[in-house]
Amino acid sequence: AQTVTQSQPEMSVQEAETVTLSCTYDTSENNYYLFWYKQPPSRQMILVIRQEAYKQQNATENRFSVNFQKAAKSFSLKISDSQLGDTAMYFCAFMKLHTGANSKLTFGKGITLSVRP
Amino acid sequence: SQTIHQWPATLVQPVGSPLSLECTVEGTSNPNLYWYRQAAGRGLQLLFYSVGIGQISSEVPQNLSASRPQDRQFILSSKKLLLSDSGFYLCAWSALSYEQYFGPGTRLTVT
Repeated sequence: AQTVTQSQPEMSVQEAETVTLSCTYDTSENNYYLFWYKQPPSRQMILVIRQEAYKQQNATENRFSVNFQKAAKSFSLKISDSQLGDTAMYFCAFMKLHTGANSKLTFGKGITLSVRP
Repeated sequence: SQTIHQWPATLVQPVGSPLSLECTVEGTSNPNLYWYRQAAGRGLQLLFYSVGIGQISSEVPQNLSASRPQDRQFILSSKKLLLSDSGFYLCAWSALSYEQYFGPGTRLTVT
């Protein structure tokens, strides 16, 4: 079974600065996806970024980028130029690739990020 | 574009009462559908998933059940609620083996 670990329960960052959220995972699979989801106070889960394990290049989406270290099973999220709207809970998630139609996600426990004005 | 709806947004129910939460998806066909529960301050726990009409898989044994009467409709039910059923319930959809997109959620309080 896969496990996802987010060891930092809370982090705080000053507006406009950069912050990195850590995530490690454990799996025996070779083909999988990794995701970061954001859950703001409204509690709707929003997909932030996706990384395919077979890709060596780290994914980027505007101010969000990841540092994917497959051998170390590490998947951190970097938020540049932090904005007040980035205040949210962030979840790291793992998905094993199936030949069938099921795409079950395994989530970490999340980290609460606060952006200070 | 695809959208996902959940209702009700909030619900307060007494212990022992029935439950029905509904999730519908627009703009896609034959999606995979999921029900998650999130307890206060914790991560998401997958409860049920469905790959087609009438096809339901349960991840966690409990007093909840799920049904998929139509292609884009997913229902979470209980005959008798327990206090431990309180939480935030999220429905999600995905296309084949790709990322999941979540609905706005239902906050359930069992009193």
